[in-house]
Order: sequence, then C-alpha cells, then structure tokens
Amino acid sequence: GQSLEQPSEVTAVEGAIVQINCTYQTSGFYGLSWYQQHDGGAPTFLSYNALDGLEETGRFSSFLSRSDSYGYLLLQELQMKDSASYFCAVRGAHSGNTPLVFGKGTRLSVIA
Amino acid sequence: DAGITQSPRYKITETGRQVTLMCHQTWSHSYMFWYRQDLGHGLRLIYYSAAADITDKGEVPDGYVVSRSKTENFPLTLESATRSQTSVYFCASSESNSGRYEQYFGPGTRLTVT
Repeated sequence: GQSLEQPSEVTAVEGAIVQINCTYQTSGFYGLSWYQQHDGGAPTFLSYNALDGLEETGRFSSFLSRSDSYGYLLLQELQMKDSASYFCAVRGAHSGNTPLVFGKGTRLSVIA
Repeated sequence: DAGITQSPRYKITETGRQVTLMCHQTWSHSYMFWYRQDLGHGLRLIYYSAAADITDKGEVPDGYVVSRSKTENFPLTLESATRSQTSVYFCASSESNSGRYEQYFGPGTRLTVT
C-alpha cells in the first residue's frame, strides 16, 4: 500500500517563505501531487512532479526527490489568502488504474 | 453550467435510512471518484470508476454502493446510514489516470446522520 506523512500544522508570517514537507512510502511510483483546500471549499490542484527536481508555478514551487521518497511544496511571498490546508498525494502501485492516495493535510496559517 | 456538481449540498438523515448523493460532470471525464473527509483523516477514497459500468473499491467502501450507468453521473448510496458516516463527501473527476492526473473536485456534500 501507500502512506504519506506531512506536518499537521504550519504557521508563517505574511510575506515570508514556507516549506511543507511530504514523505511517502509506495510500491512503485507514478508522481507526487499537491492540492490546496480553503476552509469550506473543495480541494484544487496545485502541482505535479513525476521527475526529480523543482517545478515552479508563480509563487508556488514543488520539489521531488524519488531516491529519498520525499517532496515539498514551497510557498513564497506568503499572502493571507494562502491560509488553507495543503495535501500531498501519490499514486504508487504498479497498476495503471490505481487512484491517488492523499496525505492527511497540513493546515497553513498565515499571520500578519 | 460546465463543471462538476454535487447534490444535495447539505443533508440530515436518520440512522438506518438510505440516502443517495448525486454527482454530475459535464467534461466527459473517464474517471470519477468519491471521497469522504473527516478531521484528522484527510481525504479517503470510497469508490472510483474508470468508465461507465466499471467501478472499484477504494480505501473505505463498507456501507456504500455506487453505480455508473452514464459517463457523466456517479451516484453514491449509503444503504443504511450510520452515525460514523457523518462526513463531508467530495466527488471528483479526472480525464485520465496518467500524467498530471489532475482531479477536479465538486463542492462537496455535508452529511449528518442522527
């Protein structure tokens, strides 16, 4: 099976940089995804890494190290609207139809 | 409207009752999913479907039934609701199961079982 570990809560100051880590255990690996969810809202896709390295999308970047079974989401120039929960997700089994498994989420609080 | 919709958005039901949550998507995505979200557990997969008439169990399928007679609809039925099924239920769809594997989520149904 698959399992993911991420911190339950992170607090950061507006304008700062925050990193949310995710470690995973899978049998096989097809990629690491990140989703954002505001309170009362639905999860929305942020990023996807299939290969090692950094993917940048505006203020958000996501990193993957397959040898370490580790990834992180980096948020720069934090804004109050970035306060949300962030989930890493992995599809790791050998079957092409295996669905995503989500971590339990990290609640990010951005403070002034 | 285009997108993925869920109904009802809020539902209160009694223990033992059957309740069906509806999910409809207009993108003709092949894959559809049902998740439940509870504090401390994140998103847990209940059932998913790769195409019409193809469904498979996820992590927590007990007590739930799904069907998919049409590509755009994926209803979830709680055959005999229990208090432990009080949760927020999200439906999602995806064009494929490869590559970016981006899932699009509906707005959710908040279900309370009394």
